[in-house]
Amino acid sequence: ETGVTQTPRHLVMGMTNKKSLKCEQHLGHNAMYWYKQSAKKPLELMFVYNFKEQTENNSVPSRFSPECPNSSHLFLHLHTLQPEDSALYLCASSQDLGGTGSTEAFFGQGTRLTVV
Amino acid sequence: GENVEQHPSTLSVQEGDSAVIKCTYSDSASNYFPWYKQELGKRPQLIIDIRSNVGEKKDQRIAVTLNKTAKHFSLHITETQPEDSAVYFCAASKGFQTLVFGTGTRLLVSP
Repeated sequence: ETGVTQTPRHLVMGMTNKKSLKCEQHLGHNAMYWYKQSAKKPLELMFVYNFKEQTENNSVPSRFSPECPNSSHLFLHLHTLQPEDSALYLCASSQDLGGTGSTEAFFGQGTRLTVV
Repeated sequence: GENVEQHPSTLSVQEGDSAVIKCTYSDSASNYFPWYKQELGKRPQLIIDIRSNVGEKKDQRIAVTLNKTAKHFSLHITETQPEDSAVYFCAASKGFQTLVFGTGTRLLVSP
C-alpha cells in the first residue's frame, strides 16, 4: 500500500452517465495528478493540482472535470464519455520542494474504466 | 512543455544479460528524472531516480546515468532476472508542475 487510494477499482458506464472517480492520499503531499493509461498512450498526464490550485490541463476534453477540495482529495468527474475514453485512470501524489524539484510520485491502484 | 522519448519500446534479453533503456527530454530546466517499474496489473512504482546535480547513481543491479548537455538519461539493469520482466517508464520533471513520462519499455527476461 503506497498511501494513495483510488475508488472505485472498476467502473462500467454508459455514454450518457455521469460518474466520479475518487483519489485520497495520506502522505501529506501537496501535489496530486491524474494520469490516463491506455495501450495507445501509456501514462498520459491529464491534470496537476498543487496547493489545491490546478496548474496543468494538457488540453483534456471538457467531458473530464477535475476537483480538488483539499490537498488530500482529488476527484475526476466524468460525463458523456466516449468508448475511446476506456482506460486505466491513475492518481498520483508527490511533494513539491519548490526550486529544488519534487519528491517521488506515489501512484494509486487505478480505476479501470469501461465506457459502453 | 516537456517531451520525453523512450527507446526501445520492447526489449527481450536472456537471464543474466544486461538491459539498457534510453530516454531523451526536451526541457533543459528539468531537474528530476525518476524511473518507474510497472508489473502486469499493478501500479507504477519508483525503482531509482536521479537529480540534475548528479551524473550517475547505482542501487544494487540498477543504475541510472544522466547527460545534461545531451539531455538524455539511461537505465541499466545488470544480471537480469525473470522477475525484472515488466514495463519501465522514465520521466522528467522540474518540480511539481510537470511529471512527464516516456512511452514505456516492455522488458522480457527469458530464463
